[in-house]
Amino acid sequence: QVQLQESGPGLVKPSETLSLTCTVSGGSINSFYWSWIRQPPGKGLEWIGYIYYSGSTNYNPSLKSRVTISVDTSKNQFSLKLSSVTAADTAVYYCARGRIVFDYWGQGTLVTVSS
Amino acid sequence: QSALTQPASVSGSPGQSITISCTGTSSDVGSYNLVSWYQQHPGKAPKLMIYEGSKRPSGVSNRFSGSKSGNTASLTISGLQAEDEADYYCYSYAGSSTFEVFGGGTKLTVL
Repeated sequence: QVQLQESGPGLVKPSETLSLTCTVSGGSINSFYWSWIRQPPGKGLEWIGYIYYSGSTNYNPSLKSRVTISVDTSKNQFSLKLSSVTAADTAVYYCARGRIVFDYWGQGTLVTVSS
Repeated sequence: QSALTQPASVSGSPGQSITISCTGTSSDVGSYNLVSWYQQHPGKAPKLMIYEGSKRPSGVSNRFSGSKSGNTASLTISGLQAEDEADYYCYSYAGSSTFEVFGGGTKLTVL
């Protein structure tokens, strides 16, 4: 059974960079797309971007200038960096397998942007 | 690219059937049979319920079904049960030259 687990700081200061890692277990990161999705408190889901195991990426245009998603196949991990964060970036961040269909999800991690 | 349009809320009594709509455009829902639906209970991660418009993953009850007509996809839940009370989100592929979007979400209340 594939499992995903997000990890990273739960509190980030405004203007700094949010960094999260998703560790995949129970299966290989190879041959799949992997995505980041977020959900502000009390609001809906927002697709952030995806990466293919080979490294090709696609990002939500509204976040593109601040987002970088990378993959480390040797560690079966992929990561998210979101720069110049503001309070509007406060959300639960999920990692998920897939690009068009998300069949496995992490439990999510709340990241709060506050000084 | 605008979010797909879903009703904010729907409700039904146990045993009844309900349908949640997801309206997009001819560039996304209308062009591809690649809509997926997700169920999210409070404090939990979303769960895949329907993919490619009408396919159910293993383990998902056959009370859940999906369909499409024109630019609108629909999720139907028959024989409503209390455990079906949750938020539901649709998601559609929108072509290689653009990006994918979620619907705004629909809160299902089982009366």
